[in-house]
Amino acid sequence: GAVVSQHPSRVICKSGTSVKIECRSLDFQATTMFWYRQFPKQSLMLMATSNEGSKATYEQGVEKDKFLINHASLTLSTLTVTSAHPEDSSFYICSARDALAGGYNEQFFGPGTRLTVL
Amino acid sequence: AQSVTQLGSHVSVSEGALVLLRCNYSSSVPPYLFWYVQYPNQGLQLLLKYTTGATLVKGINGFEAEFKKSETSFHLTKPSAHMSDAAEYFCAVGALGNKLTFGGGTRVLVKP
Repeated sequence: GAVVSQHPSRVICKSGTSVKIECRSLDFQATTMFWYRQFPKQSLMLMATSNEGSKATYEQGVEKDKFLINHASLTLSTLTVTSAHPEDSSFYICSARDALAGGYNEQFFGPGTRLTVL
Repeated sequence: AQSVTQLGSHVSVSEGALVLLRCNYSSSVPPYLFWYVQYPNQGLQLLLKYTTGATLVKGINGFEAEFKKSETSFHLTKPSAHMSDAAEYFCAVGALGNKLTFGGGTRVLVKP
């Protein structure tokens, strides 16, 4: 149980185009999902917290108009990188928290999406 | 604010030797602490977590960690390294709103 998937696993796009990344909780409901960015050989940096049915909360320094997040259902959150540029190339990882679990509980991580912008 | 420091970005151990990964945290509230493992081009897998209760926590794959409040530490250990333990390891501290703050990561190399 507690499986999170991401699609696509890898994407290459041209500069100026937009790319959508999906994050799905396959066997549980997730009221909250998180989006992270990871540069090569570096740690994960939280970009935003995605809440089902409401606007995402972005971390300081993250452009919300560039990284559009939609959490339309309890099992799906999407991250759209708009007008992508080479500096947006990175490994994007999502995680999801089980809505039915009480207290502080673990986040389940997706396998990540490698974005390369040419 | 919370922060995590992992001492040593790279650790090299021989197969069968002790694995020790160091993690120190800073938190203004009682922390929730986690260790994750990441294999190349993959997401994170939870090794173990400390929330409350027993300070010695056992996880998967033979790993364990001990929460020491007085030292603000949560070091990860494994008595005998296996080749499959070669990976990146991240220590993380939980915050309000269930946010996680990650340490810089420690890459483990296992020598045969």
